Amino acid sequence: QKEVEQDPGPLSVPEGAIVSLNCTYSNSAFQYFMWYRQYSRKGPELLMYTYSSGNKEDGRFTAQVDKSSKYISLFIRDSQPSDSATYLCAIQKSSGDKLTFGTGTRLAVRP
Amino acid sequence: DGGITQSPKYLFRKEGQNVTLSCEQNLNHDAMYWYRQDPGQGLRLIYYSQIVNDFQKGDIAEGYSVSREKKESFPLTVTSAQKNPTAFYLCASSTPGLESTDTQYFGPGTRLTVL
Repeated sequence: QKEVEQDPGPLSVPEGAIVSLNCTYSNSAFQYFMWYRQYSRKGPELLMYTYSSGNKEDGRFTAQVDKSSKYISLFIRDSQPSDSATYLCAIQKSSGDKLTFGTGTRLAVRP
Repeated sequence: DGGITQSPKYLFRKEGQNVTLSCEQNLNHDAMYWYRQDPGQGLRLIYYSQIVNDFQKGDIAEGYSVSREKKESFPLTVTSAQKNPTAFYLCASSTPGLESTDTQYFGPGTRLTVL
């Protein structure tokens, strides 16, 4: 079993839709959770990171962690065509430990 | 202008050749990482280095080598022993953040193709 699972998509939504991207993980030892956005042929850029359970909001983006279910989510409100990219979740057990990445979900926002 | 640079952007290698990918950062980060990205497999860790003159193997180190002689530089050599080197290679660096986690920042990547 992979340590983190992520639906590869592709996910296609109309402009203005609310997007929900999700990952599940298998080991309760993971404490740090990150979301990266990667445009085609570019390096990933950090969008959000959270520690332990709870929500974190930044503009149109909300990251949510449910440690009891081992489930992490990224919500994008009022999605824009410029949000079209691959979204990668990443998890980490402790500071200094390696990151474990999901395979990424490809998102397309239609004008 | 701070950041991570990788060169070249595209690299073509003949079978049996060694090639070296460059990664430089001016963020004053202590740790640096090399990942390989293949379609449908996410990012896989090749090597990482927490301090100068020290580095550790990641999950898929076979056929690769690295050096860390300077804090700002972490070159990756793809040797002829790597049987399937065609991939997108990403370099990252990090430093402990405000919430006690080391946020990794990525370079633009090098796409290596074996001819």
